[in-house]
Amino acid sequence: RKEVEQDPGPFNVPEGATVAFNCTYSNSASQSFFWYRQDCRKEPKLLMSVYSSGNEDGRFTAQLNRASQYISLLIRDSKLSDSATYLCVVNSGNQAGTALIFGKGTTLSVSS
Amino acid sequence: DAGITQSPRHKVTETGTPVTLRCHQTENHRYMYWYRQDPGHGLRLIHYSYGVKDTDKGEVSDGYSVSRSKTEDFLLTLESATSSQTSVYFCAISPQGAGGANVLTFGAGSRLTVL
Repeated sequence: RKEVEQDPGPFNVPEGATVAFNCTYSNSASQSFFWYRQDCRKEPKLLMSVYSSGNEDGRFTAQLNRASQYISLLIRDSKLSDSATYLCVVNSGNQAGTALIFGKGTTLSVSS
Repeated sequence: DAGITQSPRHKVTETGTPVTLRCHQTENHRYMYWYRQDPGHGLRLIHYSYGVKDTDKGEVSDGYSVSRSKTEDFLLTLESATSSQTSVYFCAISPQGAGGANVLTFGAGSRLTVL
């Protein structure tokens, strides 16, 4: 079952570039959305939650499109340290969190 | 950083042997989870706990059992390890459950190889 789909990449961009990732989800009842970042051989860490109105945190902007069932992550002015895998996570409404669906991740490589 | 530690961090074992992975938290969070991460798959939930002695199955629970006798410890046991259980195992915690706006905090992972 492919409930959360991401382009695996890799996205190879130079420093300073703007890059965007999309993630589509299949369950229209999904209620909350997140982007996690995972460095190579490390644990996932929350990058940002995604709110209906869209939200920004520094160089990162997340947006939700419920009608088309996708979320996006925009990274401006890419840094070498942004190189990582970005996981899209969708929760289909279960408070216990057992309905969290993780995408397989999109790999970003930023080069100098 | 959140106080969550996993042990062992690396383990190599043989098919048919039992293996126990430990997750220890110092955050007093109610919810604890065990996930596995494999190439070509997103993180998949094995088991979770919503309190002491309260556990339930996740998506890929076959071949695994868990126990939570104290708030701070959540153990994952592979009753008889198989090569298909070679994976990276992540423990995660959440204060009120990872639904809604609550998020997960992950441990550093336990890399298990079953020969």
